[in-house]
Amino acid sequence: DVKVTQSSRYLVKRTGEKVFLECVQDMDHENMFWYRQDPGLGLRLIYFSYDVKMKEKGDIPEGYSVSREKKERFSLILESASTNQTSMYLCASTGQTYYEQYFGPGTRLTVT
Amino acid sequence: ELKVEQNPLFLSMQEGKNYTIYCNYSTTSDRLYWYRQDPGKSLESLFVLLSNGAVKQEGRLMASLDTKARLSTLHITAAVHDLSATYFCAGLSGTYKYIFGTGTRLKVLA
Repeated sequence: DVKVTQSSRYLVKRTGEKVFLECVQDMDHENMFWYRQDPGLGLRLIYFSYDVKMKEKGDIPEGYSVSREKKERFSLILESASTNQTSMYLCASTGQTYYEQYFGPGTRLTVT
Repeated sequence: ELKVEQNPLFLSMQEGKNYTIYCNYSTTSDRLYWYRQDPGKSLESLFVLLSNGAVKQEGRLMASLDTKARLSTLHITAAVHDLSATYFCAGLSGTYKYIFGTGTRLKVLA
């Protein structure tokens, strides 16, 4: 079974802090994604990576950056957290066959 | 650009009844996905539909794809309380951009 894990289930940070969210997948998938999910807005793509050190901006990259130094790990960085980044963050990965997305358990981030 | 619309947004149904969730999409999508999300949890993949006429079934859920009508359906047979969740469909635009519907919140009443 594909397993996608995220470093924290719940996180509380203060405004202005630098925040790291980590995602690890164990199926040698090339593609990895970061989404945020907010009530009424659905899932929105923040960043996508198709290979080590390769990344593409999604629909809402402002205020975020990403890092992919190893194939299995994709990190989302909030350079200076703000209250409007309070959200559920979901990581996903896909292989190259059916492009079926496998999601991690999610990180609920609260910025105060 | 691909747009995905689901309906209904909310569905309250009695146990034992049948119902269908509809997923319309605006342009060609090579494949169509269905996910389930329980409150406070992440998304779980249910079905991947790869071609016109594809039908997949798992327990009380059956998904189908009509690429000519740009329509996918998720049919629930004899609903049980455990099926209460939010269901999302998603299409694939290009090779990596997944476009999700707004979700259908299903509540099965005993």
